[in-house]
Amino acid sequence: DAKTTQPNSMESNEEEPVHLPCNHSTISGTDYIHWYRQLPSQGPEYVIHGLTSNVNNRMASLAIAEDRKSSTLILHRATLRDAAVYYCILRGAQKLVFGQGTRLTINP
Amino acid sequence: DAGVTQSPTHLIKTRGQQVTLRCSPKSGHDTVSWYQQALGQGPQFIFQYYEEEERQRGNFPDRFSGHQFPNYSSELNVNALLLGDSALYLCASSLVVGKFLAGGSGANVLTFGAGSRLTVL
Repeated sequence: DAKTTQPNSMESNEEEPVHLPCNHSTISGTDYIHWYRQLPSQGPEYVIHGLTSNVNNRMASLAIAEDRKSSTLILHRATLRDAAVYYCILRGAQKLVFGQGTRLTINP
Repeated sequence: DAGVTQSPTHLIKTRGQQVTLRCSPKSGHDTVSWYQQALGQGPQFIFQYYEEEERQRGNFPDRFSGHQFPNYSSELNVNALLLGDSALYLCASSLVVGKFLAGGSGANVLTFGAGSRLTVL
C-alpha cells in the first residue's frame, strides 16, 4: 500500500485559512488522493478527493502537485468545528489505508 | 437519509469471551468494511464484504470474522478476546458500481459510522 506522510500536528486561528500538506512520493498512476477527518468521538468523515486536477467542494479545496507526489488540503476559513485529525489517504484498491494523520487545533 | 448505524455503542467484555458487533450500511450502499482504531492511532483495515463474501482482508488473525446479510448489513465477530482487542471498531459502507474488481475504483467514497467502543478487561 502506498504511504503518505503528514505532519503530526498543526495549529491555526479561527477564520484564517489552513493548508494541510501531504507527501505521497510512491503514488501510482491510478491512485486517488482522499482526505478524511475525524472529529472527537466520531467516525472518520469524507472531506474531498481528487486524481490529477485541483478540486473544490463546500468543505474544502484540494491542490495536487503536477507530479502528484504531494497535495494540500485547504480550509478557506477555519472554524472551531474544524478541529479534528485529518487523514490523507491514497486509494487504489477498495480499502482505505490510514496513517497517523494531522491533528489540527483551531484557536479562537 | 440514515447514514451508517452501529450497535452497540459501548460494551465491556472479559478476556476469552466472544463479541459480535453490528452494522447497517447507508441506504443504497452494498459494500461494508470494518476497521479497528486503537487509542491515538489511525483506523486499521480488518476486512471488507461485498455480495455476502469477504473480498479483502487486512493483517488480522482468524479470531476476527465477519458476515454480510442479503440486506447488506454486516456483523463483526471476535473470538477469544485479548486485552489488546480493546479499541473503537468502525464500520464503513460504500457503493460498488458494477462488478467488484480487485483494484476497485479509487474514486469510491466511504461513509463511516460512529463506531462501537469495546473494552476488554
